Amino acid sequence: EIVMTQSPAALSVSPGERATLSCRASQSVSSNLAWYQHKYGQAPRLLIYHVSTRATGVPARFSGSGSGTEFTLTISSLQSEDFAIYYCQQYNNWLSITFGQGTRLEIK
Amino acid sequence: QVQLVESGGGLVKPGGSLRLSCAASGFSFSDYYMSWIRQAPGKGPEWLSYISTSGSDINYADSVKGQFTVSRDNARNSVYLHMHSLRPEDTAIYYCARVIVVSGLFDFWGQGMLVTVSS
Repeated sequence: EIVMTQSPAALSVSPGERATLSCRASQSVSSNLAWYQHKYGQAPRLLIYHVSTRATGVPARFSGSGSGTEFTLTISSLQSEDFAIYYCQQYNNWLSITFGQGTRLEIK
Repeated sequence: QVQLVESGGGLVKPGGSLRLSCAASGFSFSDYYMSWIRQAPGKGPEWLSYISTSGSDINYADSVKGQFTVSRDNARNSVYLHMHSLRPEDTAIYYCARVIVVSGLFDFWGQGMLVTVSS
């Protein structure tokens, strides 16, 4: 099983600032890496797949980068609605997908 | 718009059984694989199962193989998760999700249903 490790566990950022979230895989997942946003009481939302492709309707301030085992989600200018928990997910083998434990993005 | 609504959760004793339902709307349900995913307190999500468009092909995570069973009813636009021999460690929020083709990606999720296994 591929273990996904996210850092930091929690991040405090002021609105308008940039946030950088990291995700590391225990072995290469090629470009099969996605990010989800989860707000309390709501359904998780697919943000980015294939490392850097934004899902439909996702604002351009969200961007993804990386390859192999190291990945980053960047939110360029935080809006109030961006404060949530973010999970990375690898789908290198669709029958053995795994998620990270999440990064909680909080208002500073 | 796409909607997935889970139901059937609640409190169950260890060793008990429970069936979760997920009602889909806003898309052609029979054209999509569906999946169940759970999230235990303080942990990341855990994929549990896929079911193919017809229901003839089903895959399970090793952690629930033999304990959970998934089915679907395309006439009712619904997918089900039958859980047996429940243990306290099965306590989690359970989500159904729509699968993008056969990719391992989930483009729509329900809001989740809490299942608590406790005596």
